Amino acid sequence: QVQLVESGGGVVQPGRSLRLSCAASGVTLSNYAMYWIRQAPGKGLEWVAIISYDGLNKYYADSVRGRFTISRDNSKNTLYLQMNSLRAEDTAVYYCARPKTGNYQSPFDFWGQGTLVTVSS
Amino acid sequence: EIVLTQSPGTLSLSPGERATLSCRASESVSSNYLAWYQQKPGQAPRLLVYGASSRATGIPDRFSGSGSGTDFTLIISRLEPEDFAVYYCQQYGSSPVTFGQGTKLEIK
Repeated sequence: QVQLVESGGGVVQPGRSLRLSCAASGVTLSNYAMYWIRQAPGKGLEWVAIISYDGLNKYYADSVRGRFTISRDNSKNTLYLQMNSLRAEDTAVYYCARPKTGNYQSPFDFWGQGTLVTVSS
Repeated sequence: EIVLTQSPGTLSLSPGERATLSCRASESVSSNYLAWYQQKPGQAPRLLVYGASSRATGIPDRFSGSGSGTDFTLIISRLEPEDFAVYYCQQYGSSPVTFGQGTKLEIK
């Protein structure tokens, strides 16, 4: 049974940093590109970052480029999101999500439970 | 990027009724790579339909998707109490993937 478990969320002041993790079980993450997707309170879904199966290719939404870094450790079956220079508008639940077919052009068939990041002074 | 507009914003229906949700794209969705998700409060989205009309694993057959090009529809034939939730469409045919703003299906 595939499980994705995010951790690392919390309350942080503007300008500070936070690192999110997404630990996978029941699936070999190295076979899949992976996404971080976020949802601001009461709002819709927004993709944040994508990483290729081998970690060599990374893409970011304009809203986070230059501040966030996606990475992975396939030996640990874990995905990461390093978030620097956080802003109030980064407040959201952050989900890791697995593309069904493993590549970028795919729907998401497995999601983590989400971890809440609150940026506030 | 492709903008997805969902309508209506809120749909009020009773159990047993039929629900019709719409998703319109700002340009044609490549290969009809359109998915639908259900999200309940405090939960992650759940994949219902992909490729515009293919049901995901374990999804009841009361859920059906249709459409092509720029106009897509999700139909729930007979609403069950557990179907009241927010529904999102997503296109994955063009980068970046984008989501609609959601339709809230509420009990009348």
